[in-house]
Amino acid sequence: KAGVTQTPRYLIKTRGQQVTLSCSPISGHRSVSWYQQTPGQGLQFLFEYFSETQRNKGNFPGRFSGRQFSNSRSEMNVSTLELGDSALYLCASGRTGDNSPLHFGNGTRLTVT
Amino acid sequence: DAKTTQPNSMESNEEEPVHLPCNHSTISGTDYIHWYRQLPSQGPEYVIHGLTSNVNNRMASLAIAEDRKSSTLILHRATLRDAAVYYCILRVPYNFNKFYFGSGTKLNVKP
Repeated sequence: KAGVTQTPRYLIKTRGQQVTLSCSPISGHRSVSWYQQTPGQGLQFLFEYFSETQRNKGNFPGRFSGRQFSNSRSEMNVSTLELGDSALYLCASGRTGDNSPLHFGNGTRLTVT
Repeated sequence: DAKTTQPNSMESNEEEPVHLPCNHSTISGTDYIHWYRQLPSQGPEYVIHGLTSNVNNRMASLAIAEDRKSSTLILHRATLRDAAVYYCILRVPYNFNKFYFGSGTKLNVKP
């Protein structure tokens, strides 16, 4: 069974630009969550999508947005990039309604210059 | 957010057992205790979870205190590959898959 796939693996952008990151969940998983990881703040929850609807949201500005498609694949978008957005962005997929574990991808490393 | 407290770092010798503690004094009756670990340059990886009873799987054991205010992840024989940051997380039912990770415990395994 293929794991969670995130693309691209690395990305370099300039301040003010926007970026789109992609996540393909494990087949059959309908929940996709996004996390931001930085050395200073650790792992922070961005949002979760389930059946194309945002089900949960963290404390991030509106520049961070996401969506989920009918095949459960998800994208997150960051507009008007700031230097502080440089981070590892992790996607996790899971089932719902039980305590089955989350499965994480290896992330997209975003560097904003 | 449901908070947990873990030591910043721990050290172990290879082939010896490791006990990683976690305090979660504000846990509620329906919160599950989950453990994940993150190896360098990888995303977090599920280790084990439990509610009230102790749990075992091929990776580790989870010992949960009777009052559920603390738990301990037990690696029976640490290997170099177990060097990672270990996160203890409370899974709050109404939060679905929203996890609060905290700072975790960085485990160093010495050969």
